[in-house]
Amino acid sequence: NAGVTQTPKFQVLKTGQSMTLQCAQDMNHNSMYWYRQDPGMGLRLIYYSASEGTTDKGEVPNGYNVSRLNKREFSLRLESAAPSQTSVYFCASRSTGSTEAFFGQGTRLTVV
Amino acid sequence: DAKTTQPTSMDCAEGRAANLPCNHSTISGNEYVYWYRQIHSQGPQYIIHGLKNNETNEMASLIITEDRKSSTLILPHATLRDTAVYYCIVRSAGTASKLTFGTGTRLQVTL
Repeated sequence: NAGVTQTPKFQVLKTGQSMTLQCAQDMNHNSMYWYRQDPGMGLRLIYYSASEGTTDKGEVPNGYNVSRLNKREFSLRLESAAPSQTSVYFCASRSTGSTEAFFGQGTRLTVV
Repeated sequence: DAKTTQPTSMDCAEGRAANLPCNHSTISGNEYVYWYRQIHSQGPQYIIHGLKNNETNEMASLIITEDRKSSTLILPHATLRDTAVYYCIVRSAGTASKLTFGTGTRLQVTL
């Protein structure tokens, strides 16, 4: 049972490039989340999806788009990367009514 | 979701109990208290949650005050591997509810 899988683990982008961070979970969870974590800070919610076909903005959605492709997958897209988006990105999932959220191991993104 | 306040950092000697406080004075009746921890740069890990009653599991105990405005996470016998950032989160039970993290408490367990 893989849990929550994020790809890639590391990425370096040039300013203005675009890329998609992938997240997949094999636990049949309804809710999925994308967070970013900057050095020395807590996690900030970018977007979340309560169920397949729905997405909602979190605290810091600007500069990002998301897609809930199906129940398993929730991708995060940076259309035009900026140095301010250098961060560690975490994906999480949770079952309806469940208490516990499961996190992936993170994607370390550097924008130069 | 209600806001939480935690100390920035705490130290604890190995083998002793670590008591991590959290204030959530604006918590509403249907909101639960959750605790997660993040070891080094890994993804956060769920520890425990509660509504009104004190809770205990294999990892920790959670003590919630009667007015529910504060809580304490207790690691009964802290080890070096418990060194981490601990997050207290208040969240409603709704399926669409967000999971919002603050800055947490950095617990350093020392020899």
